[in-house]
Amino acid sequence: DTGVSQNPRHKITKRGQNVTFRCDPISEHNRLYWYRQTLGQGPEFLTYFQNEAQLEKSRLLSDRFSAERPKGSFSTLEIQRTEQGDSAMYLCASSAPPGNTIYFGEGSWLTVV
Amino acid sequence: AQSVTQPDIHITVSEGASLELRCNYSYGATPYLFWYVQSPGQGLQLLLKYFSGDTLVQGIKGFEAEFKRSQSSFNLRKPSVHWSDAAEYFCAVGLNSGGYQKVTFGIGTKLQVIP
Repeated sequence: DTGVSQNPRHKITKRGQNVTFRCDPISEHNRLYWYRQTLGQGPEFLTYFQNEAQLEKSRLLSDRFSAERPKGSFSTLEIQRTEQGDSAMYLCASSAPPGNTIYFGEGSWLTVV
Repeated sequence: AQSVTQPDIHITVSEGASLELRCNYSYGATPYLFWYVQSPGQGLQLLLKYFSGDTLVQGIKGFEAEFKRSQSSFNLRKPSVHWSDAAEYFCAVGLNSGGYQKVTFGIGTKLQVIP
């Protein structure tokens, strides 16, 4: 399967704990995105990488959130000191020129209890 | 900034009936337009996209969409709905800027298919 891969698919954590999600993009895609989706809403942009460089971050990405893409391949999204409001699905996507059509992974569900 | 409006939160159609899901966008130039489908608990699958050229675009699973600049619309259609089409559908508008797609999604339309 050469699609975008995310893990874990589901994570339940206690408030205040740290969580990390991993994303493996489509292999030839050098653009990588993180989105967040809450129930009843469309996905909202969090951040964007071109190769290993993080080029844009949304104001939704508070200081408790950090994303990395150390070698320009897989990416991690870490949430520190989780809060109940962080409960959402975190979607990773990737793209490549020309056109940069975005292809999404299956998402990682986070439940903070 | 671009925005997307999907006026119908929930639509119910009978299996075999035709379907049209509405999408209006706000953007100053010709946008990149997308329709994605999401099954419960799953990620988003691209149905079709419009970048330029023919305003009627064909997608997967028998879906098509028509770009109408005068109406700022990009409605999704299917002539005959199957029960497996029950899902949530998201319209999105993209701005190709700085070498990547900055995509804004609508709130989604949940499609229910009844026998």
